[in-house]
Order: sequence, then structure tokens, then C-alpha cells
Amino acid sequence: GDSVTQMEGPVTLSEEAFLTINCTYTATGYPSLFWYVQYPGEGLQLLLKATKADDKGSNKGFEATYRKETTSFHLEKGSVQVSDSAVYFCALLNDYKLSFGAGTTVTVRA
Amino acid sequence: NAGVTQTPKFQVLKTGQSMTLQCAQDMNHEYMSWYRQDPGMGLRLIHYSVGAGITDQGEVPNGYNVSRSTTEDFPLRLLSAAPSQTSVYFCASSYSFTDRLNTEAFFGQGTRLTVV
Repeated sequence: GDSVTQMEGPVTLSEEAFLTINCTYTATGYPSLFWYVQYPGEGLQLLLKATKADDKGSNKGFEATYRKETTSFHLEKGSVQVSDSAVYFCALLNDYKLSFGAGTTVTVRA
Repeated sequence: NAGVTQTPKFQVLKTGQSMTLQCAQDMNHEYMSWYRQDPGMGLRLIHYSVGAGITDQGEVPNGYNVSRSTTEDFPLRLLSAAPSQTSVYFCASSYSFTDRLNTEAFFGQGTRLTVV
């Protein structure tokens, strides 16, 4: 079946540092790929998405590129802020099912 | 804009009790689903529905029932609660899972369930 593997956390960074969270996937066909973010005490919300190979999703300074050849969708941000502290989930959509990675907790210190 | 509303937010059950977690959306979304979130395991799909009257099992369906009598509501029933069902439960809805431009899933705030 489909699966998503993302780097384990927790990740602790200083403000203005570079953030990267690795995500790789296994799926049949042509899935869509997503990054969701969960702030403390809240549900998940969509951060960005890519629907086909070589697409780049971007939002709030975050970027991720759909790499079919390496089955990857790594999340990056050039300069993080304290407000980026959250849990980040990589996900794929295939055949009506949304599959999630385990989540990476990111803490940004001032 | 209510979005996806889950009730209750917190619940404590005794082993063997039954209960229903409620989920309602006001966006006229066809697709709805239930997940459970456990530490280190991400979100796992319990059941999903692609429209009123249509439901199917996800990755971890045992011990849970669902029905979809209306587009708006998708309740999750725990038949006989067990400590292994202690988790945070999320309901989600989406306009479509076949139109790649409209596949964003909208999540409720979650229900934290403890079974003792």
C-alpha cells in the first residue's frame, strides 16, 4: 500500500535558521502530495501542495518540489520564525485515500 | 464559516462503553473521513465516505462504525470502547478527491478520547 516516510524530530532551530524536513513516499500511480501543519491544540491545515511531477508548491515562505525520480517532497524554508513552531505532516493522496507521515515537531527559539 | 465541526472536544469513557463522535461540515463537500492521531504514528485513516450513503474502511477500522445519511454529517461510533482506542480523533472533509485542483482536506479541531 501507499506510505509516507518523513524525517523524525524533534527539530529545534534558532530564529532565521534554514529549515528542511525530508519526505519520501511509496505509491502506485500518480499521487498528489501535500504538507500539512498542526499548531498546538488545533487541527491540521494545508500548508502547500503539488499535483504532478516537477510541480513546486509554496506558501508563507515554505517550498516543496514534487520529485518523481526520487519519490520525494522535501519541505524547506529559508528563514524560520518563532511562529513556525508546529508539527509538520507530509501526505499523499491516491485512490480516495490521504496517507500521512508520522509528523515532525519543529521548535523555533528566539 | 463554521467549516468542520467536531463534538465533543474531550471525552472519558470506561472500557466497554459505547459512544458517538459527531462531525458536521457546511461546505457541501462530498468526501469525509475519520482519522486517529497517535504519538509517532501520524494520522491513520479509520473510515471514509465519498458521498451520502457510501462508506468504506480505511487502515484501522476495527472497533468503529460509520454511516453517512446526509452530505453534512459523518458520525463515528465506538461500539465497545477499549483502552487501545485512547487517541485524538480528527474528522476531515474535501470538495473532491478526483479533481486535483480541489483536493484540500479541511480538518476539525479534534476530539481527545481517553478510555479507562
